[in-house]
Amino acid sequence: ETGVTQTPRHLVMGMTNKKSLKCEQHLGHNAMYWYKQSAKKPLELMFVYNFKEQTENNSVPSRFSPECPNSSHLFLHLHTLQPEDSALYLCASSRRTGTGGEKLFFGSGTQLSVL
Amino acid sequence: AQTVTQSQPEMSVQEAETVTLSCTYDTSESNYYLFWYKQPPSRQMILVIRQEAYKQQNATENRFSVNFQKAAKSFSLKISDSQLGDTAMYFCAFMTPLLEGAQKLVFGQGTRLTINP
Repeated sequence: ETGVTQTPRHLVMGMTNKKSLKCEQHLGHNAMYWYKQSAKKPLELMFVYNFKEQTENNSVPSRFSPECPNSSHLFLHLHTLQPEDSALYLCASSRRTGTGGEKLFFGSGTQLSVL
Repeated sequence: AQTVTQSQPEMSVQEAETVTLSCTYDTSESNYYLFWYKQPPSRQMILVIRQEAYKQQNATENRFSVNFQKAAKSFSLKISDSQLGDTAMYFCAFMTPLLEGAQKLVFGQGTRLTINP
């Protein structure tokens, strides 16, 4: 176990549903990330939070809404998704450092299917 | 923008053999980090090995080692004495620090490695 827990493991939702993905880290890290892993595409960085502040939004559609209430929890709220949003959504965390090169620790992901 | 290319979509070797996975990247930065991550069927991304660009010495972790050629922008992973548990997707990744201490990882497309008994 990496110390990063994601729930649920699997999620099936219709295009009109609203759901949320949850990520929790027990490592004392200050930075948290959402990545999207689609079939036959490299992992794409979606959002970065550092000390609860969003520092990166990689041109993600507004139907994805992140929330970081504290340094240990990260949510991804989903609404009116499209079938092409079906993918594995991975959460990660890392220590804050001024020098860079810190390892990212990943959760096991949520496999999302949009019908 | 940084890009990472893994030219081998799939590889297959026999148990106990040595296998090398290739990775090239493109960047104009001088200070960066390179990683290999492994993703088994459990889907969890697991760090295999890390290399600082300013270090000329190649990183090693037990059976895993890298061949880092900075001028050629090449970062290959060698797995010695391969084991069945090494079967996984392997991702090469390039990291640059973001402002305020977070990190940005850019991944390659991955290589699916199968170790056969």
